[in-house]
Amino acid sequence: QVQLQESGPGLVKPSDTLSLTCAISGGSVSSGSHFWSWIRQSPGKGLEFIAYILYNGANQYNPSLKSRVTISEDTSKSQFSLNLRSVTAADTGIYYCARGRGYGYGIDYWGQGTLVTVS
Amino acid sequence: DIQMTQSPSTVSASVGDRVTITCRATQNINSWLAWYQQKPGKAPRLLIYKASTLESGVPSRFSGSASGTEFTLTISSLQSDDFATYYCQQYESYWTFGQGTKVEFK
Repeated sequence: QVQLQESGPGLVKPSDTLSLTCAISGGSVSSGSHFWSWIRQSPGKGLEFIAYILYNGANQYNPSLKSRVTISEDTSKSQFSLNLRSVTAADTGIYYCARGRGYGYGIDYWGQGTLVTVS
Repeated sequence: DIQMTQSPSTVSASVGDRVTITCRATQNINSWLAWYQQKPGKAPRLLIYKASTLESGVPSRFSGSASGTEFTLTISSLQSDDFATYYCQQYESYWTFGQGTKVEFK
């Protein structure tokens, strides 16, 4: 059973960098063909894809965020991370880390989510 | 960019009702579509992938279908546990989600 746990500051100042980490238990970022991803949800709104990274380091970013986002993996620590630069109040929301099972299979595991407020 | 337009935004229904939610893609996504259920304060839960394949453990009252760029999630007989918000997601080209459909008590 895979479990994902987000960690990071709950409050970030405008123009600073938001940094989050997702710890993986019951799995590894370097195994299989999974898509290790970050997805966010603004208060009372829908879901927005941010980025994903594959076991081999290949990644994909949401074009609307690409200039400010970096996703990385730490295979030795079985975790992956998100950096979002130059944040504004519009970046406030719940940030989820999640696993895409493989190409064509959807997102089968999610973290509980962590609320990040930009203020 | 592939946009997903989900409708309706809200459905008012009663236990036992048949509920249908539609998601339309702006271009061909080759049935690379998933459906999720989200309850307040919780992460989404995968219901269906590849447009019509039921995820393990999901009740059979949930089903998905596709016709061109239009995709449908059907709940054949709504149960009390099904009142939630539902999202579609395409994964043909990176990932984008529909705006969500809230299924509420009538």
